[in-house]
This record gives sequence, structure tokens and C-alpha cells, in this order.
Amino acid sequence: RKEVEQDPGPFNVPEGATVAFNCTYSNSASQSFFWYRQDCRKEPKLLMSVYSSGNEDGRFTAQLNRASQYISLLIRDSKLSDSATYLCVVGRMDTGRRALTFGSGTRLQVQP
Amino acid sequence: EAQVTQNPRYLITVTGKKLTVTCSQNMNHEYMSWYRQDPGLGLRQIYYSMNVEVTDKGDVPEGYKVSRKEKRNFPLILESPSPNQTSLYFCASSFGTTTGGLDNEQFFGPGTRLTVL
Repeated sequence: RKEVEQDPGPFNVPEGATVAFNCTYSNSASQSFFWYRQDCRKEPKLLMSVYSSGNEDGRFTAQLNRASQYISLLIRDSKLSDSATYLCVVGRMDTGRRALTFGSGTRLQVQP
Repeated sequence: EAQVTQNPRYLITVTGKKLTVTCSQNMNHEYMSWYRQDPGLGLRQIYYSMNVEVTDKGDVPEGYKVSRKEKRNFPLILESPSPNQTSLYFCASSFGTTTGGLDNEQFFGPGTRLTVL
């Protein structure tokens, strides 16, 4: 089982739609959580950190459920420019080693 | 401009020919790391460095070496490249803080596409 799992998609949605992605992680000792965005063949860029209380940044809302070990990302009013791959990232300390584990990504295609 | 630079951006080489991919950041970050990205596998961490002269293995270190002699530079060395190291490589950096970069935004370089024949 992968340490961080995401539905690869693609999610094809029309402009203006609301779309939600989930991500599950297997290590209960994980301590930090993020969503990154990656455009085709480019470097990943931070979209938002994910906090236990949930957090919102404009059209984007991230939630963390530690009991069930999953993270979600909700995008409202999708724009064409939201088309990208969204990477779930989990950080943990493991026997002194610091590890950031990336999911394989969920691809979103917003259509006109 | 704050950035992470990598060179070369594209490289085609042959099995066994030693190569180095350079990585440099101008943000005074303590934490630097190398990842490889392969289809269906996501980004996997190769090595990371908490600060000058402090490096540690990531999830897939075999066949790679790194060094951190200066804070801004973190080169990735392939002593004897093999075809299974054909991949897209990213360098990243962040502030270290007490959790060693785990809580901070990672800034990525533009990537190096390596092909080993």
C-alpha cells in the first residue's frame, strides 16, 4: 500500500463546477500536510497548507481528518486555469529522518 | 529574484558515464532535497540536507550521491548512471526551522530531464 494515495483522475469538469479531491495517508505519525499544484512538466508549487481546523484560500478549501487519515481539497467555481495536477503531500519524522511523501497526483481538466 | 536553479535542464547520456546535476538557491534556505518523478509513482525523495555538511538518505538513494559544502548549493551526483535512472529530477529548498523543513513551503527548481541510454 502506498504511503499517500490519490485518485489519479482525470477529473473532467465544466467551468464553474465544484470539484473535490481526497487523499489518504497510512502513517498516523504524519504531522504536516499540503496541497501542491503541478502544471504539465513543470515544477510543483505550493497551493496551500492543510491544518486540523480546516482552511480556506479564496475558492480553495482544504480539510484534514486525522482520525480517518485523509485530506481533502475543494475547488469552487472552477476556472480553465485550474487545470493541472494536484499533489497531496505529507510530512513526518521517522526515526530521526525527515520525510516528505508526495502522492502521485490527481489530474484536473476544466473545460469551457 | 528568489529562485532555485538547476543545470542542466536536459541531459542525454550513456550508461556508466559519471554526471553531476547542479542545484543552487538564493533564499538562504537551510533545507534542500532532491526528488525524482516517474509516471504513476509521484515524486520520491532521493537525498536531503538539513544544513551545510549534513545530509541524509531519502526513500530512493541507491545510485546517487550528494554533497553540501555551501549553504546555497546541493549537487546530485550519479557515479555510474544506469537506464533505470532515466527520470525527471527536481531540487527543492525551504527554511529549516525546528521540524527540519517539514512544515515549510518547498520551493522547487525547474527540473532536469535525464535520459540514460
